[in-house]
Amino acid sequence: AQSVAQPEDQVNVAEGNPLTVKCTYSVSGNPYLFWYVQYPNRGLQFLLKYITGDNLVKGSYGFEAEFNKSQTSFHLKKPSALVSDSALYFCAVRVVAYSGAGSYQLTFGKGTKLSVIP
Amino acid sequence: KAGVTQTPRYLIKTRGQQVTLSCSPISGHRSVSWYQQTPGQGLQFLFEYFSETQRNKGNFPGRFSGRQFSNSRSEMNVSTLELGDSALYLCASSLGDTFYEQYFGPGTRLTVT
Repeated sequence: AQSVAQPEDQVNVAEGNPLTVKCTYSVSGNPYLFWYVQYPNRGLQFLLKYITGDNLVKGSYGFEAEFNKSQTSFHLKKPSALVSDSALYFCAVRVVAYSGAGSYQLTFGKGTKLSVIP
Repeated sequence: KAGVTQTPRYLIKTRGQQVTLSCSPISGHRSVSWYQQTPGQGLQFLFEYFSETQRNKGNFPGRFSGRQFSNSRSEMNVSTLELGDSALYLCASSLGDTFYEQYFGPGTRLTVT
């Protein structure tokens, strides 16, 4: 079974400082990894994904994430946080078996609430 | 392009009733997935449809069902509502292959009293 862990329920960071939101995963197969953001009373917005290739992935709004296979991690980062980045962030994984068979189900972490303090 | 739309946005039902939620995917997207979001359980996968066929199903009781129409629009139905079914129900669409991201609608907030 696949699972995603976001070890921090909440992350506080001062505006202008770098931010990191952590994500680790557990799968049997090759992971496809995704980050989404959710603002209050809204659906989820896609930020970025790792499928294959370069371990550093760049996405929307200045966010990036680094895939680390040995540590089974996919942490979300941004060099300089904005107050408008305050939201709920979700990491998700989809598994592709070594045989190539894919699972279409996205498994999400519990979410991390990011608060950027002015 | 218009995004994923869900109707209705808010719904209040009584225990024992049934409810149908609707989702219109982004034009050209053939895959539609449904998720339940609650404060306690987080985001849980319900099912996924592709070209009118259910490809994957989560661990929900048979009271939860869905379907997809030939125009890719999807509906989900919950019968015999329970208090615990109160949640935000999110629909997401994608082009269909595993490496494609999903795009989410704003959700339907269901309250069961």
